Amino acid sequence: AQSVTQLDSQVPVFEEAPVELRCNYSSSVSVYLFWYVQYPNQGLQLLLKYLSGSTLVKGINGFEAEFNKSQTSFHLRKPSVHISDTAEYFCAVSQTGANNLFFGTGTRLTVIP
Amino acid sequence: EPEVTQTPSHQVTQMGQEVILRCVPISNHLYFYWYRQILGQKVEFLVSFYNNEISEKSEIFDDQFSVERPDGSNFTLKIRSTKLEDSAMYFCASVKDRFNGELFFGEGSRLTVL
Repeated sequence: AQSVTQLDSQVPVFEEAPVELRCNYSSSVSVYLFWYVQYPNQGLQLLLKYLSGSTLVKGINGFEAEFNKSQTSFHLRKPSVHISDTAEYFCAVSQTGANNLFFGTGTRLTVIP
Repeated sequence: EPEVTQTPSHQVTQMGQEVILRCVPISNHLYFYWYRQILGQKVEFLVSFYNNEISEKSEIFDDQFSVERPDGSNFTLKIRSTKLEDSAMYFCASVKDRFNGELFFGEGSRLTVL
């Protein structure tokens, strides 16, 4: 079975500062990795995904993540955050060839003006 | 841009009542899912559906739950006799290609059981 750990439940950061949201996963098989964002009162929107190939993945809204197999991590980064990035961010994993996602508990990013 | 739509956005019901949550997946998608998110907790997988049958379900998805695709466009989740602990946000998702890996989620239906 797969599982995801997001160690930081809340991350406050000042506007235009860089941010990293941490995600670690565990799995005995090959995985796909995802980051979803949930804005207030909205559904889950895909930010980026890693299926295969380059370990550095670029997503929407200036976010990127790096797959590190040896550390079983998939941390999300953005060099300069905006107020509009305030949201809940979920890391998720699925077994390759399957679609059932296992989500982490989420990290609430709050951008401070 | 095509999207997954869910109704109702919010439903309040009495414990023991039946509830049906509706979803219209993206039209050319073939795989459908329900997830739920209890307030303050992680998003949890409930069930996946393909070719008019359940392909996988979690231990949460007990006999109180059922899903169906009654008319080729809607995908419904039924809870036969709601319990207080069923209060949650329920998300529908769909994907065209099982190996694509990207699920498209609806905005969710918030269920409140009193």
